[in-house]
Amino acid sequence: SQTIHQWPATLVQPVGSPLSLECTVEGTSNPNLYWYRQAAGRGLQLLFYSVGIGQISSEVPQNLSASRPQDRQFILSSKKLLLSDSGFYLCAWSQGSGNTIYFGEGSWLTVV
Amino acid sequence: AQSVTQPDIHITVSEGASLELRCNYSYGATPYLFWYVQSPGQGLQLLLKYFSGDTLVQGIKGFEAEFKRSQSSFNLRKPSVHWSDAAEYFCAVGASSGYALNFGKGTSLLVTP
Repeated sequence: SQTIHQWPATLVQPVGSPLSLECTVEGTSNPNLYWYRQAAGRGLQLLFYSVGIGQISSEVPQNLSASRPQDRQFILSSKKLLLSDSGFYLCAWSQGSGNTIYFGEGSWLTVV
Repeated sequence: AQSVTQPDIHITVSEGASLELRCNYSYGATPYLFWYVQSPGQGLQLLLKYFSGDTLVQGIKGFEAEFKRSQSSFNLRKPSVHWSDAAEYFCAVGASSGYALNFGKGTSLLVTP
C-alpha cells in the first residue's frame, strides 16, 4: 500500500532563517506531488505541484520554492523565512489526473 | 477554474442528532467532488468522493453525500452524529483533466453532549 511521510512535524524558526520540509511517498511510482498551506480560517492553499522529476508548477507568488530531486521526494524550501510563512504545511500525492489526493500528517511551522 | 464555497464556518449539533454540511461548487463541466475530514493537528482524511454515476455516495464513518447538478451542491450528511465526529470538514472540487484540488475554507463541527 502507498504511504506518505513528511518531516519535521513541528518547526520553530526565526525570521530570516532558511527552511526545508521534506516529503516522501512509498508504494507508488511517478506520483503527482503537492504542497498545500493551511492558515487558520483560510482553508487550504495550493502552493506547488509536480507531475514529474524536476517539473514544478507554482500556484502563488511567494517566499517559498519547491524541488523534486527524485521521483517520490518533494521538498519545500525558503532562503529567508517571513513571519507570514507560519502555518500548517501539508504534502500530498495523487496518481494520474483527476484522481483522489492523499495527504501526509502535516508540518507545523512557526516563524518567530 | 473550479471553486468551492462552504457557507457555514461553524456548526454545532447534539450527539445523536442528524448532520448536514453544505458545499456549493462552481465548474463548467462535470466536477470531481470530495469531502475530507481533519482532526486537530493532523492531515486530511478522505471521507468520500464523487466522479460519476449514482449521485448518492456512501463514505466511511457513516457519512454520505449527494451530488445535485441543478443546485451545484454536494452536501455531506450523517443521520446520527457521534462525539468523535467533531473535526474540520473540507469540501473540494477537481477536474478530470486536472491535478490539484480546490478546497473550500472548511466547516468546523462541534458536537455537544
